[in-house]
Amino acid sequence: AQRVTQPEKLLSVFKGAPVELKCNYSYSGSPELFWYVQYSRQRLQLLLRHISRESIKGFTADLNKGETSFHLKKPFAQEEDSAMYYCALGHSGTYKYIFGTGTRLKVLA
Amino acid sequence: KAGVTQTPRYLIKTRGQQVTLSCSPISGHRSVSWYQQTPGQGLQFLFEYFSETQRNKGNFPGRFSGRQFSNSRSEMNVSTLELGDSALYLCASSFQGTGNTGELFFGEGSRLTVL
Repeated sequence: AQRVTQPEKLLSVFKGAPVELKCNYSYSGSPELFWYVQYSRQRLQLLLRHISRESIKGFTADLNKGETSFHLKKPFAQEEDSAMYYCALGHSGTYKYIFGTGTRLKVLA
Repeated sequence: KAGVTQTPRYLIKTRGQQVTLSCSPISGHRSVSWYQQTPGQGLQFLFEYFSETQRNKGNFPGRFSGRQFSNSRSEMNVSTLELGDSALYLCASSFQGTGNTGELFFGEGSRLTVL
């Protein structure tokens, strides 16, 4: 069965510290993975997707098929990174996304 | 471009009633998905429509239904409301070209409270 696991409900780090938000998935086919972010009082929006292999707002995420993980990383956290982050699994042809339960990131001054 | 618009934004119903939520996608987007968001469960997929056809459905009871119109606007309906249906209902639209799991563009949601 398709499943996305985000083990941390809350992650608190100090400004300037590295950040790693964990995401593990369960999927037998070829996954398409995404990170969505929701800032306070804003809509849920796409942060990045694994096929783009790009860095957005300093965040990167690498798909590790061996470990079935797609962890989100940033070397130096900023206060404006405080938000709710969701990992999502999609598969072309099913038109359905499975979201994790989300991790709230708090960056402390 | 205007974003995804959902109405109403807030509503309160009592158990046993029914509710209809509306979603207008971004112009040019033909795919509309619905998700239920609750604090404990996160986002759970309800269904997805493309060109007036339901292409996929999540694991929700038959009380949850939806439809899409020719202008891509979508509605979802929940009948015989239960307390557990209290949630934020999110609509998302996507371009969804052939073979493309496209980026989802979310609305602000309709917050339903069932008393």
